[in-house]
Amino acid sequence: GAGVSQSPSNKVTEKGKDVELRCDPISGHTALYWYRQSLGQGLEFLIYFQGNSAPDKSGLPSDRFSAERTGGSVSTLTIQRTQQEDSAVYLCASSLVGGGTEAFFGQGTRLTVV
Amino acid sequence: QQPVQSPQAVILREGEDAVINCSSSKALYSVHWYRQKHGEAPVFLMILLKGGEQKGHDKISASFNEKKQQSSLYLTASQLSYSGTYFCGTDYTGTASKLTFGTGTRLQVTL
Repeated sequence: GAGVSQSPSNKVTEKGKDVELRCDPISGHTALYWYRQSLGQGLEFLIYFQGNSAPDKSGLPSDRFSAERTGGSVSTLTIQRTQQEDSAVYLCASSLVGGGTEAFFGQGTRLTVV
Repeated sequence: QQPVQSPQAVILREGEDAVINCSSSKALYSVHWYRQKHGEAPVFLMILLKGGEQKGHDKISASFNEKKQQSSLYLTASQLSYSGTYFCGTDYTGTASKLTFGTGTRLQVTL
């Protein structure tokens, strides 16, 4: 596609349920990032994938959070046993090469845990 | 450590200038500027590298003061389309794979 695509755009889930958020990066982009944005806050780094290298998971807030990137393309962010504090907009971005270059963001998935 | 952006919000009339600052207490390798309009994805503006030159993009430019560990974004002759929230993302590792973003500066340009 022309840009970074994320699905779903909105997700409402009950506390304790698991959710999966999907990101389709721009074709050919080797780097993929996940960020989280809470209301009125900046973007909080979660995880970074670069080619076949081991991902930088240092931003994941707890072991309930995990992410994978299959075939160097599509990425899925999974949140297990969701909590109300997980409510936020989850943004995915991709860039042609690694960090230090322009990143293109998707529209995000707004997650609401009730 | 999260960089500090100032001001937190600013209202301008069309044609006026504005400066947004991004300050860090730690040494920076680069600063990345993004603009986000309400309900939309952040859009890249520019990257300032340590030791690099001031950048410009139309009437928006930025500088990086290595001694102060501060970057400033200059908006000249503002247009209505400049409205949005401006975020600086700071790179403390040298790889820019993991940016730490400020809480943003909300800019509103009015007629």
